[in-house]
Amino acid sequence: AQTVTQSQPEMSVQEAETVTLSCTYDTSESDYYLFWYKQPPSRQMILVIRQEAYKQQNATENRFSVNFQKAAKSFSLKISDSQLGDAAMYFCAYRRSSYSGAGSYQLTFGKGTKLSVIP
Amino acid sequence: DVKVTQSSRYLVKRTGEKVFLECVQDMDHENMFWYRQDPGLGLRLIYFSYDVKMKEKGDIPEGYSVSREKKERFSLILESASTNQTSMYLCAGGISKSTDTQYFGPGTRLTVL
Repeated sequence: AQTVTQSQPEMSVQEAETVTLSCTYDTSESDYYLFWYKQPPSRQMILVIRQEAYKQQNATENRFSVNFQKAAKSFSLKISDSQLGDAAMYFCAYRRSSYSGAGSYQLTFGKGTKLSVIP
Repeated sequence: DVKVTQSSRYLVKRTGEKVFLECVQDMDHENMFWYRQDPGLGLRLIYFSYDVKMKEKGDIPEGYSVSREKKERFSLILESASTNQTSMYLCAGGISKSTDTQYFGPGTRLTVL
């Protein structure tokens, strides 16, 4: 079974600084997808960024980028120029890409990292 | 934009009551999911559905059931609510493509007294 581990329950960053959130995962699959989701205090979970395992290039979305190390099974999220609106719970998630039955597309989540942004 | 809505943001029920949590999506998604979110435990999958009238158990199905009579609606049912089911419940929808992103509803904070 796949597992996702976020080793930092809480982190803080100064406004305008850069912060990196860690995520490791365990899988025997060779192809899969990794996600970072953000959940602000309003509770609506939204997708921040997605990485396809077969792509070597790290995904980027504006101030958000990932460092995907497939061999190490590591998928960290870097937030540059942190803003007050970045304060939220961040969840790392895994999903297999190959179809092998009805449960193939469910997400496996880590326990989350609470990010605080200090003005 | 994709929209997933949940019938209530906050709900208070008594032990033993039958509770219905409703989720509606507007994007014709085949797959719908119910998660439970608890501090320090992250999101855990309760049940999911990949088609109308089809359902599969997730990681923690005990004490829950689901219903999907129409493609856009996926209901979570607590047959006899207990205090250990006090939690945040999140619904999500997604299509059956490997690149699919799941879209989440705003959540229902359920308190069982």
